[in-house]
Amino acid sequence: EIVMTQSPATLSVSPGERATLSCRASQSVSSNLAWYQQKPGQAPRLLIYGASTRATGIPARFSGSGSGTEFTLTISSLQSEDFAVYYCQQYNNWPSFTFGPGTKVDIK
Amino acid sequence: QVQLVQSGAEVKKPGASVKVSCKASGYTFTSYYMHWVRQAPGQGLEWMGIINPSGGSTSYAQKFQGRVTMTRDTSTSTVYMELSSLRSEDTAVYYCASEGYCSGGSCYVTGWFDPWGQGTLVTVSS
Repeated sequence: EIVMTQSPATLSVSPGERATLSCRASQSVSSNLAWYQQKPGQAPRLLIYGASTRATGIPARFSGSGSGTEFTLTISSLQSEDFAVYYCQQYNNWPSFTFGPGTKVDIK
Repeated sequence: QVQLVQSGAEVKKPGASVKVSCKASGYTFTSYYMHWVRQAPGQGLEWMGIINPSGGSTSYAQKFQGRVTMTRDTSTSTVYMELSSLRSEDTAVYYCASEGYCSGGSCYVTGWFDPWGQGTLVTVSS
């Protein structure tokens, strides 16, 4: 099974600042990686797929990069609605899927 | 638009079974795969398995093999997830999520999950 790790576990950021979240896979997943945002009491929402393609309706301040085993989600200028938990998910070995443990972005 | 609506919260005793439903609308039910993902309180997301609504074939995460059964009813565009031999560690919110993309009359697997149902809280307690 491919194990996903994320860092940091918690990221404290001021509104308007840039946030950089990392995700690492235990083996190469090519570009078969997605990012989700989850707010308290809500279901996850797809942000990014294919490591770098924004899902429909996702603001341009969200960007994804990376391939192989190292990936990054960047939020260029944090808005109040962006404070949430972010998960990465690999889908390289369809139909086997794994999520990272998440990074919580909170207000500094 | 694609919408997934799940059944309501459940409280079960250890050793019992629970069956959660997920009704799909806004698209051709048999076009997209359906997944089940769970989230224990304060924890991350855990993939449980997948069902192909077209033929009913399934694939389950090894952790849940033998305890989970996913089925579908094409007449009502509903998928079901049944988890048996419940224990306290199964207390979680259970989500269904669709996967797939259709274009030009053909549909494809994608690997990412979108959209998700609203979640169903299953509490296992004596």
